Amino acid sequence: EAGVAQSPRYKIIEKRQSVAFWCNPISGHATLYWYQQILGQGPKLLIQFQNNGVVDDSQLPKDRFSAERLKGVDSTLKIQPAKLEDSAVYLCASSLDSATALIAKNIQYFGAGTRLSVL
Amino acid sequence: GEDVEQSLFLSVREGDSSVINCTYTDSSSTYLYWYKQEPGAGLQLLTYIFSNMDMKQDQRLTVLLNKKDKHLSLRIADTQTGDSAIYFCAERYSSASKIIFGSGTRLSIRP
Repeated sequence: EAGVAQSPRYKIIEKRQSVAFWCNPISGHATLYWYQQILGQGPKLLIQFQNNGVVDDSQLPKDRFSAERLKGVDSTLKIQPAKLEDSAVYLCASSLDSATALIAKNIQYFGAGTRLSVL
Repeated sequence: GEDVEQSLFLSVREGDSSVINCTYTDSSSTYLYWYKQEPGAGLQLLTYIFSNMDMKQDQRLTVLLNKKDKHLSLRIADTQTGDSAIYFCAERYSSASKIIFGSGTRLSIRP
């Protein structure tokens, strides 16, 4: 079974530039997550999709970050314009369970991430 | 509020047991998880425990859950060099479906 695919693996940009990340979840997984992992910290959820609808985007800085999951499969995360503090690893994860089913194990499978450096 | 805390570093001798500890704040959390992250890689689920259990064993891994103290631990028996990684504790926050991660414990193995 193929895992969660992310691209690119690395990206270096200057502040105020734009950048986009792509994620292809595991086939059949309804729920997709984008996390930001700053060096030395645990992943922080940015946005969570169930199929092509947003379940939780409370931690997404909406003035500069946007994400979409057209057709409920692949997803893109965009930052425009980037700031120095956006330097981090951006992780995508997917899970089979419904995002809103509290009894579900909600086991999330992670991609390798995109390491973003903003100079 | 939502908070999961772990110590930052742990160093153990090869062959000894490692015990990584975690405390959390949401007393109504449903599932708690341990993830492993190797350099340059994403997070890999090691094990999880449902909140109505107090122990779960899976080969070299033993998870202990103390709901009264909101304390979770991961014991790795016979620690090997391949166990060197960052270990993240996470809880499923029951009033929502999201998972909250701790800051991770870096486990290093000395010969």
